[in-house]
Amino acid sequence: DAGVIQSPRHEVTEMGQEVTLRCKPISGHNSLFWYRQTMMRGLELLIYFNNNVPIDDSGMPEDRFSAKMPNASFSTLKIQPSEPRDSAVYFCASSLEDPRNEQFFGPGTRLTVL
Amino acid sequence: SQQGEEDPQALSIQEGENATMNCSYKTSINNLQWYRQNSGRGLVHLILIRSNEREKHSGRLRVTLDTSKKSSSLLITASRAADTASYFCATAFGTSGSRLTFGEGTQLTVNP
Repeated sequence: DAGVIQSPRHEVTEMGQEVTLRCKPISGHNSLFWYRQTMMRGLELLIYFNNNVPIDDSGMPEDRFSAKMPNASFSTLKIQPSEPRDSAVYFCASSLEDPRNEQFFGPGTRLTVL
Repeated sequence: SQQGEEDPQALSIQEGENATMNCSYKTSINNLQWYRQNSGRGLVHLILIRSNEREKHSGRLRVTLDTSKKSSSLLITASRAADTASYFCATAFGTSGSRLTFGEGTQLTVNP
């Protein structure tokens, strides 16, 4: 298995632009998680899905952030409009069945907003 | 919050020495997990210990769990320079449907 796939790996954009991050979870996993990691705030859970349904989005910073999971093999995290303080590494992770199980992380997307 | 808190925040040792990292949490858990993150990479799962277990081993890793003290420790024996990384504990509530909460991590440096 290729593991969790994220794209792009790096994204540099200007303030105000829309950013879309993509994730393909491991086949057969039915829980998917979006995290953000910064030096200041550490690893933060933004949102997680179970069977394509958003379960907990309390970590989404504000309305500029939105996430979708249209099917079991694809999810997006969109930031519109982007701001410099959104600069971070965004990770997608998936797990089998129970979201309390072992999570498999993707390589991350490093986002820089100028 | 039941977020795990790792101790120490940073640890520097010589190759061949043992490294011990601790994690404390606040509420009852279903399981506790340890992850490793190399610089610039995603987290990698190391070991999971359930609330009814006291100790688990995996290669050079030994994890203990003390639910009465709400704490866990990760021991890496005979450390290698390649063990240099950040190590995170993650806790899961007992209730179904909950998810992992990660601590802030311990930065381990193993000097050759």
